[in-house]
Amino acid sequence: SQTIHQWPATLVQPVGSPLSLECTVEGTSNPNLYWYRQAAGRGLQLLFYSVGIGQISSEVPQNLSASRPQDRQFILSSKKLLLSDSGFYLCAWSPQYEQYFGPGTRLTVT
Amino acid sequence: GQQVMQIPQYQHVQEGEDFTRYCNSSTTLSNTQWYKQRPGGHPVFLIQLVKSGEVKKQKRLTFQFGEAKKNSSLHITATQTTDVGTYFCAGPLSGNTPLVFGKGTRLSVIA
Repeated sequence: SQTIHQWPATLVQPVGSPLSLECTVEGTSNPNLYWYRQAAGRGLQLLFYSVGIGQISSEVPQNLSASRPQDRQFILSSKKLLLSDSGFYLCAWSPQYEQYFGPGTRLTVT
Repeated sequence: GQQVMQIPQYQHVQEGEDFTRYCNSSTTLSNTQWYKQRPGGHPVFLIQLVKSGEVKKQKRLTFQFGEAKKNSSLHITATQTTDVGTYFCAGPLSGNTPLVFGKGTRLSVIA
């Protein structure tokens, strides 16, 4: 069966510090991968998606970037965090239509 | 751009009452999906509807895709406290484009 992992689960970072969130999927190959951000009590904002290694599409221009160095690994990064980057970051994978979300990372930028 | 709308965003119901949530798209959807996010958790895929007018049931939950494939509904019969959470609808323009999620409806059940 397929599983999706995200780490860390929670993170507190100062403004201006770098960020690296990792997501890995097990039990499948060549999945579509997604990064979402969810502000407290709000909906899901799609940040990036990838249909293959090295293929990244950005939905919202901002100070975040994503990379897919391996088939089942998706990384979300930032060189300098802003206060507005706080939120719940969710990685998801999709075999075709439906999406399966990881447990998420709660990021607080102070 | 394409929009998927859910109104209202918050709803409180008495335990045992029925609950219905509608989801409207500005464009025709190839399929529609529903997800549930429990407080503090992550969204979990519930169901996918593909055919015009399709109806699917999961215990007390009934999902329906509109005839024009531009709207869908979720109906919960006799809500229970376990139904608490935020329900999102979503749909892509086509099979290969990312899902567009509605803003979700947070359901509170008063015991």
